[in-house]
Amino acid sequence: AQRVTQPEKLLSVFKGAPVELKCNYSYSGSPELFWYVQYSRQRLQLLLRHISRESIKGFTADLNKGETSFHLKKPFAQEEDSAMYYCALTQGGSEKLVFGKGMKLTVNP
Amino acid sequence: KAGVTQTPRYLIKTRGQQVTLSCSPISGHRSVSWYQQTPGQGLQFLFEYFSETQRNKGNFPGRFSGRQFSNSRSEMNVSTLELGDSALYLCASSLALAGGETQYFGPGTRLLVL
Repeated sequence: AQRVTQPEKLLSVFKGAPVELKCNYSYSGSPELFWYVQYSRQRLQLLLRHISRESIKGFTADLNKGETSFHLKKPFAQEEDSAMYYCALTQGGSEKLVFGKGMKLTVNP
Repeated sequence: KAGVTQTPRYLIKTRGQQVTLSCSPISGHRSVSWYQQTPGQGLQFLFEYFSETQRNKGNFPGRFSGRQFSNSRSEMNVSTLELGDSALYLCASSLALAGGETQYFGPGTRLLVL
């Protein structure tokens, strides 16, 4: 069965500190991996997806198939990065997203 | 382009009643998916519709149903409401050209069952 695990529910850092939001998945095929973000009072939106290999708002994520991980990283956190972050996957050809439970990132001034 | 819209935004019902939620996707998007979000279970997939056909279904009881119209607008219905159905219901749309594409989410409908 497909499963996405975000082992930490909360992360609090100071502005300028590096952040790493962990995501592990279990899936037998070749999944598409995503990070979605929800800022306060805003709707859930895509942050990045592994297939595009882009860096969005300074965030990057590398798919490690050996460790079945897709950790999200940013070298210098900003206060505006404070939000809920969800890791998610889809199976090939499907629009169905399987989400992790989410992690709240707080960046303090 | 206008984003995904959902109506109503808030709803209060009592146990045993039924409810219908509506979702209008982004213009040109053919796929509409529904998710239930609760503090305990997080975001869980309900079902996905594409060109008026249900393509995927999550692990929810038959009380949860949906449909999609020819203009891609979608509705979901929950019959015989239970207290545990209280949740935020999110709708998402995508182009669905090749699968695994970006989902654009609506603001959600918050349902409270008393």
